[in-house]
Amino acid sequence: AQKVTQAQTEISVVEKEDVTLDCVYETRDTTYYLFWYKQPPSGELVFLIRRNSFDEQNEISGRYSWNFQKSTSSFNFTITASQVVDSAVYFCALSDLKMDSSYKLIFGSGTRLLVRP
Amino acid sequence: ETGVTQSPTHLIKTRGQQVTLRCSSQSGHNTVSWYQQALGQGPQFIFQYYREEENGRGNFPPRFSGLQFPNYSSELNVNALELDDSALYLCASSFPGQGSEAFFGQGTRLTVV
Repeated sequence: AQKVTQAQTEISVVEKEDVTLDCVYETRDTTYYLFWYKQPPSGELVFLIRRNSFDEQNEISGRYSWNFQKSTSSFNFTITASQVVDSAVYFCALSDLKMDSSYKLIFGSGTRLLVRP
Repeated sequence: ETGVTQSPTHLIKTRGQQVTLRCSSQSGHNTVSWYQQALGQGPQFIFQYYREEENGRGNFPPRFSGLQFPNYSSELNVNALELDDSALYLCASSFPGQGSEAFFGQGTRLTVV
């Protein structure tokens, strides 16, 4: 069954520390997409990145970087030099293509990141 | 800001009542999905609409129903509310396709008492 696991429930770091959020997924599909979303206290899910299953290149965007490893079914997210504004709940998600060609996002349970000044 | 707007922002209903939540999708997006997010959990897929037709449904009972209008806006209706329906309801709009980026609204916080 398709599943996303974020084992870290809550992480607390001091500003300027690096932090890595873990994501492990399970899927039967050979083609799939992985996403990371940020949810600040306002509630809106903010898209951070999308990665398809055929592209294992790591990606860096400013202070954010992502490490996708199919061999371990992991898609980890690292924030370098964390800032207080990074405090939020972060969700990893898997796009599940269904038999009727519709799709849905399967979310992990989220990791709450607290960056202390 | 994503351009996806939801109304109302907050709502309190009594058990057994019915509720309608509304979502205005981002311009050009013809696919709308609804998710339920209970406190402390990740969002759970309710259903998806594409070109005014339901196009996939999650593990939710029939008392959860929806509509999509010609302008691609959408409604989520929940009948016979139960206490466990208390949650943040999120609407996401996108283009069709598995890899399409979904843009989320700010959600409607529903409390059932």
